[in-house]
Amino acid sequence: GENVEQHPSTLSVQEGDSAVIKCTYSDSASNYFPWYKQELGKGPQLIIDIRSNVGEKKDQRIAVTLNKTAKHFSLHITETQPEDSAVYFCAATIITQGGSEKLVFGKGTKLTVNP
Amino acid sequence: NAGVTQTPKFRILKIGQSMTLQCTQDMNHNYMYWYRQDPGMGLKLIYYSVGAGITDKGEVPNGYNVSRSTTEDFPLRLELAAPSQTSVYFCASSYGPTGRDEQYFGPGTRLTVT
Repeated sequence: GENVEQHPSTLSVQEGDSAVIKCTYSDSASNYFPWYKQELGKGPQLIIDIRSNVGEKKDQRIAVTLNKTAKHFSLHITETQPEDSAVYFCAATIITQGGSEKLVFGKGTKLTVNP
Repeated sequence: NAGVTQTPKFRILKIGQSMTLQCTQDMNHNYMYWYRQDPGMGLKLIYYSVGAGITDKGEVPNGYNVSRSTTEDFPLRLELAAPSQTSVYFCASSYGPTGRDEQYFGPGTRLTVT
């Protein structure tokens, strides 16, 4: 079935460095790609998203790129800070048999930013 | 606004017991969702609702039931708990459908079945 692969599963960087997390998806009809940040003991929170008609989107230190041909999208965090430490999930929409859309999530990346 | 609230935060069940996980949102959102998150895995959709009185199955609905009698509430029912249902459960809501509007998540319920 449709799935989303996410790499790496863990990522450790020094404060101030950049972090990149990559995801691939299988459904060519996917058209919406959100990224969620999950802090310990909390629910996921949307940090940035991109739609299939856009190749890149930025929001301060966070950016997302999308390559529809290759079916992959990436999250880029620049000038990382300790408070960026969390688990990050990518997701992609798929169309169900009933015609509605649902999100399929990657397995997550645990990012640790060392001071 | 409190957003999406879930109760309880933690629960331990014995095999075969039943329970209801509560979810309430105060954002007047039409769409509500239940996900489960197993260790080292992404979230998987259990059930969702597009409005009061309408529910539909997600990816992993077996062993669960839902109802949506009001816009605000979307309880998840486990009838005969099994160890395979040990997980963290997240409720979410959105104003519009997936792909158009952001989903807001609750803080989760950690369930252990022994």
